[in-house]
Amino acid sequence: QKEVEQDPGPLSVPEGAIVSLNCTYSNSAFQYFMWYRQYSRKGPELLMYTYSSGNKEDGRFTAQVDKSSKYISLFIRDSQPSDSATYLCAMSVEGAQKLVFGQGTRLTINP
Amino acid sequence: DTAVSQTPKYLVTQMGNDKSIKCEQNLGHDTMYWYKQDSKKFLKIMFSYNNKELIINETVPNRFSPKSPDKAHLNLHINSLELGDSAVYFCASVTSGTQYFGPGTRLLVL
Repeated sequence: QKEVEQDPGPLSVPEGAIVSLNCTYSNSAFQYFMWYRQYSRKGPELLMYTYSSGNKEDGRFTAQVDKSSKYISLFIRDSQPSDSATYLCAMSVEGAQKLVFGQGTRLTINP
Repeated sequence: DTAVSQTPKYLVTQMGNDKSIKCEQNLGHDTMYWYKQDSKKFLKIMFSYNNKELIINETVPNRFSPKSPDKAHLNLHINSLELGDSAVYFCASVTSGTQYFGPGTRLLVL
C-alpha cells in the first residue's frame, strides 16, 4: 500500500462546476498537508498549505484535512479553464521537508 | 527572474552514457532537493542537501551522484544511463513551509 493514495483521474468537468479532489494516507505522523498544481510541462507550484486538521480557504480554493479519517480534500469553486492542470497532494511529518506526494489527479475544465 | 532554474530542459541520450543536470536557485535558501517524476506522474524524492551537505539519500542507485558546490547550486550526475532512467527530473529549493520547483529536465534514454 502506498503511503499516499490519489486517484489519477482524468477528471473532466464543465466550467463553473465545483471540483473535489481527494487523497488518503496511511502515516498518522503526517502533520503538514499541501496541494500543488502542475501545468503541463512545468514544475509543481504550491497552491495550499495546511497544518494539522481543519479547513483553509484562499479565494476559490478550500483545503480540508480530516486526520481522524486520514483524508484530505481540495475544493475548487467556480472552476475555470485555467484551472486545468494536474493537482498533487503532498504531506510530511516535518514541514516542507521530505514531502510524500500523491500520484496527482489530472483535471480538465471544459469551457 | 527565475527563482529555480535547471539546465538542460531536454536531454536525449544513449544507454550507457554519463550525463549531468544542473540546478541553480537565487532565493537564498539553504535546502535543495532532487526529485524524479515518472511517466505516471509519481514525484519521488531522490536527494536533499542542506547548505552543501547531503541530508537525505533515498534508495537511489549509486549511478546517481549529487554534488553541491555551494548552497545555490545542486547538480545531478548520472553514470551508465539506463532506459528506466527516462523521466522528468525536478530540482526544488526549500524555505519554511514551501518547496519551489524548477521547470524540470526531461531525460530520454534510448
